[in-house]
Amino acid sequence: NAGVTQTPKFQVLKTGQSMTLQCAQDMNHNSMYWYRQDPGMGLRLIYYSASEGTTDKGEVPNGYNVSRLNKREFSLRLESAAPSQTSVYFCASSESGQAREKLFFGSGTQLSVL
Amino acid sequence: DAKTTQPPSMDCAEGRAANLPCNHSTISGNEYVYWYRQIHSQGPQYIIHGLKNNETNEMASLIITEDRKSSTLILPHATLRDTAVYYCIGTFGGATNKLIFGTGTLLAVQP
Repeated sequence: NAGVTQTPKFQVLKTGQSMTLQCAQDMNHNSMYWYRQDPGMGLRLIYYSASEGTTDKGEVPNGYNVSRLNKREFSLRLESAAPSQTSVYFCASSESGQAREKLFFGSGTQLSVL
Repeated sequence: DAKTTQPPSMDCAEGRAANLPCNHSTISGNEYVYWYRQIHSQGPQYIIHGLKNNETNEMASLIITEDRKSSTLILPHATLRDTAVYYCIGTFGGATNKLIFGTGTLLAVQP
């Protein structure tokens, strides 16, 4: 049982390049999330998907787009990467997005934008 | 918004109980208090959550004051593997998409 799987684990981009971070969960969860974590800070929500076919902005959505491809997969796209997007990105999932649920996190993608 | 305040760091001797405090004076009646931990840049791991009653599971105990303005996470017998950043998190809107992560408490378990 893999849980939440993120790819890639590390990525270096040049300013202006684009890339997509992939996330997949095998727990049949309805809700999925993308967070970023900057050094010395807590996690901040970028986007979330309450259920298949829906996405909503979180706290820091600017510069990102997301796609809920199906129930298992939720991708995060950087169209034109900027140095300010250097961060560790975490994907998470939960059963239905209601209170009292656990979030299950992936192991993260460390992204550097030069 | 249920904002939380935690000490930036704490030490604990291996084998002793670790008591991690959290203030959440602005929490409202329908907001849960969650605890997660993050071990050395791995993804955060859920520990426990509660609304108003004390809770216990295989990992920890959560003691919530009667006025709900503060809580304490208790790791009964800390080990070196419990060294991590512990996040006390509140919600607003009562949904998991509204979790607000602060900077947490770095717990260093000493041998």
